[in-house]
Amino acid sequence: DADVTQTPRNRITKTGKRIMLECSQTKGHDRMYWYRQDPGLGLQLIYYSFDVKDINKGEISDGYSVSRQAQAKFSLSLESAIPNQTALYFCATSGQTGPGPVSSYNEQFFGPGTRLTVL
Amino acid sequence: AQSVSQHNHHVILSEAASLELGCNYSYGGTVNLFWYVQYPGQHLQLLLKYFSGDPLVKGIKGFEAEFIKSKFSFNLRKPSVQWSDTAEYFCAVYLYGGSQGNLIFGKGTKLSVKP
Repeated sequence: DADVTQTPRNRITKTGKRIMLECSQTKGHDRMYWYRQDPGLGLQLIYYSFDVKDINKGEISDGYSVSRQAQAKFSLSLESAIPNQTALYFCATSGQTGPGPVSSYNEQFFGPGTRLTVL
Repeated sequence: AQSVSQHNHHVILSEAASLELGCNYSYGGTVNLFWYVQYPGQHLQLLLKYFSGDPLVKGIKGFEAEFIKSKFSFNLRKPSVQWSDTAEYFCAVYLYGGSQGNLIFGKGTKLSVKP
């Protein structure tokens, strides 16, 4: 069973539409992240959340918003999609679920990705 | 600004060749270091990580990496690559006390292994 799931896996939409990408995790982690991946650019952080009441902008948050509905759920919204938001979107989690070094928070576990195309 | 540099955008090797992928970061403080692999059409998976201790770390599938603090480097190595190693490899660095407070990823290196 996948620990980090994303829905949908693929989505094609039109410019101006509102889109929501969802992420759920069963790892019990308190930290969750949204990244976008573009060819040749690696991963860029959009938003991150260290717990349900803590949400922070990443390096490329413009045009995006997020909602942390519960510890296990973190949604990414594009209020009005535009073609340059066409990309692969990954959700990730990190956390400490038992005894161990605090540095275990720094290892992230990724979902399968959502391929979004904006026409 | 803190950054992570991966020297090669695309590396092409024949099977059984040795591999070394470079990764350098620009930060003078304490770091945690990671290499992730992304096989075609799949998500990122952790290959190996360095938190502290022995600077030579071994990961899955025969990969290893060496942390050289004086060179701010964490190069990935494998003595003999296989066709199944064809993937994109990402170096990532967590900077303690860094402005972002999260992982910073390099832009990735695509590895193509010819059978």
